[in-house]
Amino acid sequence: EVQLVETGGGLVQPGRSLKLSCVASGFTFSSYWMYWIRQAPGKGLEWVSSINTDGGSTYYPDSVKGRFTISRDNAENTVYLQMNSLRSEDTATYYCAKGGPQRRFDYWGQGVMVTVSS
Amino acid sequence: DVVLTQTPPTLSATIGQSVSISCRSSQSLLHSNGNTYLHWLLQRPGQSPQLLIYSVSRLESGVPNRFSGSGSGTDFTLKISGVEAEDLGVYYCVQGTHAPYTFGAGTKLELK
Repeated sequence: EVQLVETGGGLVQPGRSLKLSCVASGFTFSSYWMYWIRQAPGKGLEWVSSINTDGGSTYYPDSVKGRFTISRDNAENTVYLQMNSLRSEDTATYYCAKGGPQRRFDYWGQGVMVTVSS
Repeated sequence: DVVLTQTPPTLSATIGQSVSISCRSSQSLLHSNGNTYLHWLLQRPGQSPQLLIYSVSRLESGVPNRFSGSGSGTDFTLKISGVEAEDLGVYYCVQGTHAPYTFGAGTKLELK
């Protein structure tokens, strides 16, 4: 059974940093792209970052480029999201998702809440 | 960025009723490789999103066959043939043809 478990969320002040982790199990982690997707309270979904199988290629939308960094440790079956210079608009539930064939998000974690507030 | 417009924003249905949700794209989602990367997700209240349909019309494993998808180019439809109570929640379309990935704003399915 595929499982994705996110940790690391919490309350942080604007301008500070936070690092999210997502531990995967139930599939060959090193064979799949991984993603972070977020959802602001009461709002829709926004893609945040992507990483390829060996971690050599990463992608971000303009809204987080230069502030967020995705990485992965295939030996530990873990994908990370380092978030720097956090803003109030980064407040959201952050989901880790597994990439499947046809560029689909076929499994999602339970999500972790990040609140940016003074 | 590609804009996905979902209609209606809210849908009221009775159990057993068939309903459809539209997702219209600001540009064609047909990739140069011949694939169309348009998918449908359901987010039940208090839960994470789950994949229902991928590549327009392919049913994800374990998803009931009352869900179906159709469309091409810029116009896509998700149909539920006989709504059940467990189908209530917010439905999102998402495209992966053009970077960056973008999502529709969602359609909330509620009981009438």
